[in-house]
Amino acid sequence: SQQGEEDPQALSIQEGENATMNCSYKTSINNLQWYRQNSGRGLVHLILIRSNEREKHSGRLRVTLDTSKKSSSLLITASRAADTASYFCATDALGKSNFGNEKLTFGTGTRLTIIP
Amino acid sequence: DAGVIQSPRHEVTEMGQEVTLRCKPISGHNSLFWYRQTMMRGLELLIYFNNNVPIDDSGMPEDRFSAKMPNASFSTLKIQPSEPRDSAVYFCASNPGSGNQPQHFGDGTRLSIL
Repeated sequence: SQQGEEDPQALSIQEGENATMNCSYKTSINNLQWYRQNSGRGLVHLILIRSNEREKHSGRLRVTLDTSKKSSSLLITASRAADTASYFCATDALGKSNFGNEKLTFGTGTRLTIIP
Repeated sequence: DAGVIQSPRHEVTEMGQEVTLRCKPISGHNSLFWYRQTMMRGLELLIYFNNNVPIDDSGMPEDRFSAKMPNASFSTLKIQPSEPRDSAVYFCASNPGSGNQPQHFGDGTRLSIL
């Protein structure tokens, strides 16, 4: 079964608005990451949050992690047309990786559309 | 710096044919990953290597699938014989192989088996 489930599956907002996507997972983790995928391209790493962190920022991105609820959220502020993409959370389950961050389980993704 | 390079970008072939997908990881990265992405199943890890050695192939769907990494700069994923249900986008990714380092993905090979 999928470790990560994103919510919502699809989101359309006006340019300039904030976009929030959520991810739930099932097992204990080392870290949780968010990736972006533009149409026809590979995944691009956005941000990583460790299990002992609660919030992390990178530019217009803000990620929160609640390990008690096994959930994370990704907030993109002041959205731009170029943010149109699919966004995936990925978890590195505790005790699964031998070398660091290799046994990732990806969620089903949120398809974000920014309307100019 | 060059990213992960995959070839071909698109492959269309008839069922029963052998298919070989190729990947060049980022120089200096010790771990290499093969994924498959479909609408139904999402992104699935098929196999990964560390220092050219296969570590976990539990995601390889059947014996028709095989992967090799003869050296640090090249890996192949082979399907023989191919079937229509193998149609998907196949991604290769790499990372340094230690610590909490993100994975870097190629742009994938879109495979269609007729």
